[in-house]
Amino acid sequence: QSALAQPASVSGSPGQSITISCTGTSSDVGGYNYVSWYQQHPGKAPKLIIYDVFYRPSGVSNRFSGSKSGNTASLTISGLQAEDEADYYCSSYTSRPTVVFGGGTKLTVL
Amino acid sequence: QVQLVQSGAEVKTPGASVRVSCKASGYPFHNFHIHWVRQAPGQGLEWIGIINTLSASTKNAQNFQGRVSLTRDTSTTTVYMELSNLRSDDTALYYCARGTWYSDDYWGQGTLLTVSS
Repeated sequence: QSALAQPASVSGSPGQSITISCTGTSSDVGGYNYVSWYQQHPGKAPKLIIYDVFYRPSGVSNRFSGSKSGNTASLTISGLQAEDEADYYCSSYTSRPTVVFGGGTKLTVL
Repeated sequence: QVQLVQSGAEVKTPGASVRVSCKASGYPFHNFHIHWVRQAPGQGLEWIGIINTLSASTKNAQNFQGRVSLTRDTSTTTVYMELSNLRSDDTALYYCARGTWYSDDYWGQGTLLTVSS
């Protein structure tokens, strides 16, 4: 099972919005509404920020939003803040069934 | 509060086996699955497998077939991951995480495994 495709890095200035894509296949992202997004700060465990494509766990800022079209899911962060600088990973349930992660995207807040 | 507390760092030689534990507390143990995920130094997340804490059924990633065993002890609410025939590229931080099949809402602190001769 190949990793889901994410851009290696994205950047944005405080207050701006950015979008991170996560591309898979019809056997994972495109086949199920079970895409999650995790935020990981250096030296910390990942934190769930989006599940089932667009739901936010309690306590997660509404500046984070998720969507999906076909085989590509997206995470949008609006009103960028310095604290958003982190690595972001998508994951998807697959048809095997297994779980597959994306390669990760490093977000830099300029 | 929900806690997943993992066992301490391990150093193993190639070909050896390791068992990492993950003690769950603060919630009904059988209500959630436990995933295992690893992260090699400077690399991304890699899914290893999942155990249904109620039935003890498991599913592993193809990359780990035949080398990983996931078990659980309901009396101590502890889940175990055993990885055998270790190689140097198994050096990584290993996480357990609580969740459904589809997402993980609480993660352990991670267990560093170093495989070196």
